[in-house]
Amino acid sequence: GEDVEQSLFLSVREGDSSVINCTYTDSSSTYLYWYKQEPGAGLQLLTYIFSNMDMKQDQRLTVLLNKKDKHLSLRIADTQTGDSAIYFCAEKGPGGFKTIFGAGTRLFVKA
Amino acid sequence: EAGVTQSPTHLIKTRGQQATLRCSPISGHTSVYWYQQALGLGLQFLLWYDEGEERNRGNFPPRFSGRQFPNYSSELNVNALELEDSALYLCASSLEGLSTGELFFGEGYRLTVL
Repeated sequence: GEDVEQSLFLSVREGDSSVINCTYTDSSSTYLYWYKQEPGAGLQLLTYIFSNMDMKQDQRLTVLLNKKDKHLSLRIADTQTGDSAIYFCAEKGPGGFKTIFGAGTRLFVKA
Repeated sequence: EAGVTQSPTHLIKTRGQQATLRCSPISGHTSVYWYQQALGLGLQFLLWYDEGEERNRGNFPPRFSGRQFPNYSSELNVNALELEDSALYLCASSLEGLSTGELFFGEGYRLTVL
């Protein structure tokens, strides 16, 4: 079946690193994503990783993929108050598969 | 270039009424997705249209329906509204075959059922 799970809340201090975790069940997923939703807005793609990669780094963002455990994580270095948002993990299978989202992790950044 | 646009942005209805939500994808995108974001439940997949056809449907009752027009815009219809239909409805578009599979979201509709 298809299911994406992530914790609902994370609170960090400004300047610390944030790590948001996600598990998924579809081993045929070819793309895994992190989307960001700021208050009152739709979702925007933050970063993505192909299933044949273990890690991807993009400025302050590091994505780690453990395909064996079906575990995806997003690390935000030097977290800022502007990073406060809901972060959604998502997966998409091959071909015409739909994109499945987790429930979202609300990140609170304390000044 | 205009992003995904949705109209109206807020809609208030009463139980039993019908709601129609509209979405215009980014120019050149042929796929439109609808998601429901209810409080505490994350994004639930509703419908996916591509090239005018329904490609996939989520686990929602038949009173949730939609269509895609020749210009790739889309409409979501919710009949016999129930209180639990109150949610943010998000429309997203994509270009199937785009290597990243990225979805481009609109700002969503806030549907309130009283």
